[in-house]
Amino acid sequence: EAGVAQSPRYKIIEKRQSVAFWCNPISGHATLYWYQQILGQGPKLLIQFQNNGVVDDSQLPKDRFSAERLKGVDSTLKIQPAKLEDSAVYLCASSLGERGLYTDTQYFGPGTRLTVL
Amino acid sequence: ELKVEQNPLFLSMQEGKNYTIYCNYSTTSDRLYWYRQDPGKSLESLFVLLSNGAVKQEGRLMASLDTKARLSTLHITAAVHDLSATYFCAVDKLAGNQFYFGTGTSLTVIP
Repeated sequence: EAGVAQSPRYKIIEKRQSVAFWCNPISGHATLYWYQQILGQGPKLLIQFQNNGVVDDSQLPKDRFSAERLKGVDSTLKIQPAKLEDSAVYLCASSLGERGLYTDTQYFGPGTRLTVL
Repeated sequence: ELKVEQNPLFLSMQEGKNYTIYCNYSTTSDRLYWYRQDPGKSLESLFVLLSNGAVKQEGRLMASLDTKARLSTLHITAAVHDLSATYFCAVDKLAGNQFYFGTGTSLTVIP
């Protein structure tokens, strides 16, 4: 079974530039998550999709971050414009179904390491 | 905001020794997870704990949950070098769709 795919794996940009990350979840997984992991910290949930609808985006800095999941499969996360403090690893995860399932383990992708200069 | 704290943040231990990592969280939780992260790698799920008193074991790792104390522990028995990694606990609170990770414990097992 293929895992969660993310691209690019690494990205270096200058502040005020724009950047986009792509995620392809495990086939059949209805729920998709984007996390931001700053060096030395635990991942922070940015946004959660259930199929193509947003379930929670309370921690997404909406003035510069946006995300979409068209057709309930792939997802993109965009930052525009980037700031120095956005340097982090952006992790995508997917899970099989609704959050209310008995065990709904999240499977994580390899992440995209973003460096903002 | 739900807070999740782990201690210690850094742990260096010799092979063959036992140790426990602690995870405290600030409000009631529906589920608690433990993940492992190797340097430069993504997260791997280890355990999901669903109820008070739940205990799960896999190899040299054993996780437990005390919902009344809002505490989970990850116990390492007879550590080996391959266990060197960062371990995260995460708390899932369905009401409000909250999912929070702890600060992480960086474990180094010394031969």
